[in-house]
Amino acid sequence: ELKVEQNPLFLSMQEGKNYTIYCNYSTTSDRLYWYRQDPGKSLESLFVLLSNGAVKQEGRLMASLDTKARLSTLHITAAVHDLSATYFCAVDRVGADKIIFGKGTRLHILP
Amino acid sequence: GAVVSQHPSRVICKSGTSVKIECRSLDFQATTMFWYRQFPKQSLMLMATSNEGSKATYEQGVEKDKFLINHASLTLSTLTVTSAHPEDSSFYICSARPAGGPETQYFGPGTRLLVL
Repeated sequence: ELKVEQNPLFLSMQEGKNYTIYCNYSTTSDRLYWYRQDPGKSLESLFVLLSNGAVKQEGRLMASLDTKARLSTLHITAAVHDLSATYFCAVDRVGADKIIFGKGTRLHILP
Repeated sequence: GAVVSQHPSRVICKSGTSVKIECRSLDFQATTMFWYRQFPKQSLMLMATSNEGSKATYEQGVEKDKFLINHASLTLSTLTVTSAHPEDSSFYICSARPAGGPETQYFGPGTRLLVL
């Protein structure tokens, strides 16, 4: 059974600091997703990682994937208040028809 | 980009009534649509997978007679919450996978259901 674990589940940090959110998954996966969710809103797709060693960056967010370790990281550089949100990682397998979500990391960035 | 809409965005109903939520893919055809439920401060829980022209596949613990799903066309899936009760109050999110790829899901904006 495919399981996804994120940590930390809650993170409060100061603006300007760097931090990393970790996402571990239990079995072989074909795709790793990162989503952002603002309160009361649906999901916004941030990154899709397809292969070992994949690294994608958008602004202050950078995601990477290590398929051998079954680990993805979402790194936040010089955090700003606007990045406060809940971040979900999710994985799926081709043909499996399901995306399995982690529990989410609630990120609160203090001005 | 691929756009998925949901209607209504918010609904309040009395206990015992039925509520229908629509999910539409606006600029692509979707052979598969997914329905999720999200309780406050929790993750998304997959309720069912809906394939056009066939019966939906429900996840374990989801009552198919209570949550009726119809995927009548390649651009529309509906979720009907029958005889809604306060514990059904939640945020319902649909997603759609484009026919012929890419192998990704596009999420709708969600429907907030409050059952009084």
